[in-house]
Amino acid sequence: GAGVSQSPSNKVTEKGKDVELRCDPISGHTALYWYRQSLGQGLEFLIYFQGNSAPDKSGLPSDRFSAERTGGSVSTLTIQRTQQEDSAVYLCASSSGTRLVSDEQYFGPGTRLTVT
Amino acid sequence: QQQVKQSPQSLIVQKGGISIINCAYENTAFDYFPWYQQFPGKGPALLIAIRPDVSEKKEGRFTISFNKSAKQFSLHIMDSQPGDSATYFCAASMRDSGNTPLVFGKGTRLSVIA
Repeated sequence: GAGVSQSPSNKVTEKGKDVELRCDPISGHTALYWYRQSLGQGLEFLIYFQGNSAPDKSGLPSDRFSAERTGGSVSTLTIQRTQQEDSAVYLCASSSGTRLVSDEQYFGPGTRLTVT
Repeated sequence: QQQVKQSPQSLIVQKGGISIINCAYENTAFDYFPWYQQFPGKGPALLIAIRPDVSEKKEGRFTISFNKSAKQFSLHIMDSQPGDSATYFCAASMRDSGNTPLVFGKGTRLSVIA
């Protein structure tokens, strides 16, 4: 079946502009995660949605970052007033939301954001 | 505070050799330890994962060794092949606490040379 998809694959924006990144999770997956991967760094957790529960926003680096998940499916990560330090690959992952060892997070290909 | 420390940053191994990547964690509440493989331009993909109730898990050429008392775990790739050249990330989470997000190490870039 289809995996996690993200759009756009690449985004170049000017400093100060707002950007929206989209994630389409695997159908039926109740858990959705956003991570950020900077050059030479590991993946940094940003925000986590699980079903209808309030999202875990503890990883968002500033109030310029926000995310929504509409209808328990598609998610949009919004970065307002982008800064050069926001340049990174933004990865989305989804999982079935169980606690089984077999419940893995499936990652999308990411959106490479470049702020000039 | 980096909760999962990974080493080495980069590794070069001869074809047919053993690749070993190490990780150490701090939070004793972690109960799920996966390894991810990432090729350039792609998202990470789960390679193998372990829970702390076992000390070793093997899947094909890939083995996780887990030392709970030392709070360390490692990935061994036997008979390394050029196709294994990728970046490997260890991670940890608290699965029993409700599927918390993964905490990742900074990655190891593996190059397998013929």
